[in-house]
Amino acid sequence: SQQGEEDPQALSIQEGENATMNCSYKTSINNLQWYRQNSGRGLVHLILIRSNEREKHSGRLRVTLDTSKKSSSLLITASRAADTASYFCATDAKGNTDKLIFGTGTRLQVFP
Amino acid sequence: DAMVIQNPRYQVTQFGKPVTLSCSQTLNHNVMYWYQQKSSQAPKLLFHYYDKDFNNEADTPDNFQSRRPNTSFCFLDIRSPGLGDAAMYLCATSTILGGGSNQPQHFGDGTRLSIL
Repeated sequence: SQQGEEDPQALSIQEGENATMNCSYKTSINNLQWYRQNSGRGLVHLILIRSNEREKHSGRLRVTLDTSKKSSSLLITASRAADTASYFCATDAKGNTDKLIFGTGTRLQVFP
Repeated sequence: DAMVIQNPRYQVTQFGKPVTLSCSQTLNHNVMYWYQQKSSQAPKLLFHYYDKDFNNEADTPDNFQSRRPNTSFCFLDIRSPGLGDAAMYLCATSTILGGGSNQPQHFGDGTRLSIL
């Protein structure tokens, strides 16, 4: 079964608003990653947060991790039309570091 | 500068006609992955190479094969494509550092495969 489930499945906002996406997973992890995928393109790595970290920032991105609840959130502040994309969380299982399992993804639409 | 390159971007093949998708990388990463992604779904791992060691996912159909002749290149062979194999196929690379912690994956832009 899939490691990660994300919500919402789709999110529509206006430029300048914040967007929050949530990810839940099932097993213990080494780290959790977030990726963006523009339509018809490959995935682009955004940020990696380790299991012993609780929060991480990168530009307009803020990621939190709660290992007790097996959940993470991605916040995009002051969104732009160019942020329109699908966003996926991905986790690796402890003891299996070769590969990631991706969540179901959130489709974000930012209107100008 | 493209670091993971997939060719072609679009591939059309006939039902049952073998097709090969290619991936090359300039990152010198030791791990290469092939994913299948259908519309509005998450990428699904088919298999990966850790150096020359091939690792197949348990639910990957036998119809899918892979070759990695050297560090830079990896191929996905679909022996007898069916209509259900129409999808985007993504190649990715990564490096596994000491300590085993998973590192970010670098993706190509994919090959969109259509089956007639």
